[in-house]
Amino acid sequence: DAGVIQSPRHEVTEMGQEVTLRCKPISGHDYLFWYRQTMMRGLELLIYFNNNVPIDDSGMPEDRFSAKMPNASFSTLKIQPSEPRDSAVYFCASSLYRVGGGYTFGSGTRLTVV
Amino acid sequence: AQSVTQLGSHVSVSEGALVLLRCNYSSSVPPYLFWYVQYPNQGLQLLLKYTSAATLVKGINGFEAEFKKSETSFHLTKPSAHMSDAAEYFCAVSDAQVGNEKLTFGTGTRLTIIP
Repeated sequence: DAGVIQSPRHEVTEMGQEVTLRCKPISGHDYLFWYRQTMMRGLELLIYFNNNVPIDDSGMPEDRFSAKMPNASFSTLKIQPSEPRDSAVYFCASSLYRVGGGYTFGSGTRLTVV
Repeated sequence: AQSVTQLGSHVSVSEGALVLLRCNYSSSVPPYLFWYVQYPNQGLQLLLKYTSAATLVKGINGFEAEFKKSETSFHLTKPSAHMSDAAEYFCAVSDAQVGNEKLTFGTGTRLTIIP
């Protein structure tokens, strides 16, 4: 299995631009998570899905952030408009429904907003 | 609400010495506990997990952790540190409830190995 695949690995964009991060979970996994990692705040859960349905989006910082999962093999996290404080590493992770199974993480997207 | 506290944001040990990374948890229900490792510019990788079976859990790369309910702890250890163990380590907790896959992570401990 190729694991959780995220694209792009690096993204540099100007403030005000729209940014779309992509994630392909492991085939057969029914949970998908988006995390943000910064030095100041550590790992923050932004949103997670179960069977393509958003379950908890309480971690999404503002309306500028949105996430979708149109099917079991693809999810996007969109920031519009982007701001310098959105600069972070964004991770996608997936898991199979079994309590205590743990996650498989992607390699992350390093976003820099200038 | 569940949470974990990792004591020490930075730990340095000599190569060949014992590695001890501390994690204490808080949970109103029986927890499941995890340790993840993150190497530079990579995602997090599962090292080991406790899911209410044996209290001493063995993981990859020679690491192990012991669940101590009385101390609400889940410390990570390795008898002899290798240079390749230099990384950031995260403790995480989830509720041991059916259908709850949400993990809460600690703030991480950066492990440095001194040659």
